[in-house]
Amino acid sequence: DTGVSQDPRHKITKRGQNVTFRCDPISEHNRLYWYRQTLGQGPEFLTYFQNEAQLEKSRLLSDRFSAERPKGSFSTLEIQRTEQGDSAMYLCASTSGGTVYEQYFGPGTRLTVT
Amino acid sequence: GQNIDQPTEMTATEGAIVQINCTYQTSGFNGLFWYQQHAGEAPTFLSYNVLDGLEEKGRFSSFLSRSKGYSYLLLKELQMKDSASYLCAVRAPQAGTALIFGKGTTLSVSS
Repeated sequence: DTGVSQDPRHKITKRGQNVTFRCDPISEHNRLYWYRQTLGQGPEFLTYFQNEAQLEKSRLLSDRFSAERPKGSFSTLEIQRTEQGDSAMYLCASTSGGTVYEQYFGPGTRLTVT
Repeated sequence: GQNIDQPTEMTATEGAIVQINCTYQTSGFNGLFWYQQHAGEAPTFLSYNVLDGLEEKGRFSSFLSRSKGYSYLLLKELQMKDSASYLCAVRAPQAGTALIFGKGTTLSVSS
């Protein structure tokens, strides 16, 4: 257990539905990242927050994706009008910065779109 | 462009030593990370290199050559529990502080 939690752990939804995932980072970490991982691939960066500010977004993050971190603590990732291609593991990571900036990952939310 | 290459799969036996290579081509470089990921679990941090040379941490060591765009992870005294995917990741300035991951190397350790 890294101290980063994600909810839910699994989500099955029908194409076209909206889904929302939550990430609770390690409490003193001010930087939070979302990644997406598909089978046989490494995690791919989606977006990054420093405190409540969303500072970076990957071109992978289409208009159907939105992320928030309203009080600089937990974060949510919403996918609207889900597509089968959205099926993946969604990972959240946090870091406090410093010299190494090692990222601590949560257990992930596995999304299956049917 | 950005490219990180690792072998897809490797096999080894308990007690042996295995070296997992990683080559990278990124626009800029700000550190290389190795993560371990067991099936269905989150990646966990193993090592970090930003300067050339070898970093040793118990049974695991990681090496970096920035001029060659090359790193390796060395695992000694292999145990069955080391069976996992090993992810090489680079932090490059154009990606801010986010990590660019390779596809991972699946290591299978047999008795």
